[in-house]
Amino acid sequence: DSGVTQTPKHLITATGQRVTLRCSPRSGDLSVYWYQQSLDQGLQFLIQYYNGEERAKGNILERFSAQQFPDLHSELNLSSLELGDSALYFCASSVTTPSGEQFFGPGTRLTVL
Amino acid sequence: EDQVTQSPEALRLQEGESSSLNCSYTVSGLRGLFWYRQDPGKGPEFLFTLYSAGEEKEKERLKATLTKKESFLHITAPKPEDSATYLCAVQAFGSGNTGKLIFGQGTTLQVKP
Repeated sequence: DSGVTQTPKHLITATGQRVTLRCSPRSGDLSVYWYQQSLDQGLQFLIQYYNGEERAKGNILERFSAQQFPDLHSELNLSSLELGDSALYFCASSVTTPSGEQFFGPGTRLTVL
Repeated sequence: EDQVTQSPEALRLQEGESSSLNCSYTVSGLRGLFWYRQDPGKGPEFLFTLYSAGEEKEKERLKATLTKKESFLHITAPKPEDSATYLCAVQAFGSGNTGKLIFGQGTTLQVKP
């Protein structure tokens, strides 16, 4: 158990809908990262927050957004969902940034029908 | 462009048959190289961090090494429970003040009893 929690574990929804994925980092970790894992793309960095502030954006679609709250938990919002958004979404956290190990949560499996 | 390539894509070993997994990287200054283990449907589990050429880290049957262009994950006398996908990732100075990880596609290891 890495200490990073994610909810829900599974999410099944329809095209055009909006969903919210939630992540709680390890106790004491200030930085949260979101990654997407699909069969053809592997693990891809989406976005990073550090102590409530956005630090970096990767290959994140405009339909996706995220935020980190004062208690350091983070939410990833996915809207106008398409079939191609079906993937595993992982949250990771680290004590510091930019260096240091990242510890991953169990992931949320999103299926868009 | 920062890039990570892992080989082979898949590896089948008999229990006790030692081997090595390769991770080649091209980055604008290596901040750190990370190895993770991932079981199907689970989040990546942190194994090792390497920072400079010549560095080595060991954990049970696994040993990670680093050169200026690649890293190896040596598996000595593997057991069936070592079966998993092994992921290599890098953090690059060229990514600025972000700790984003750039992942390879992974090597899927199967160890048969």
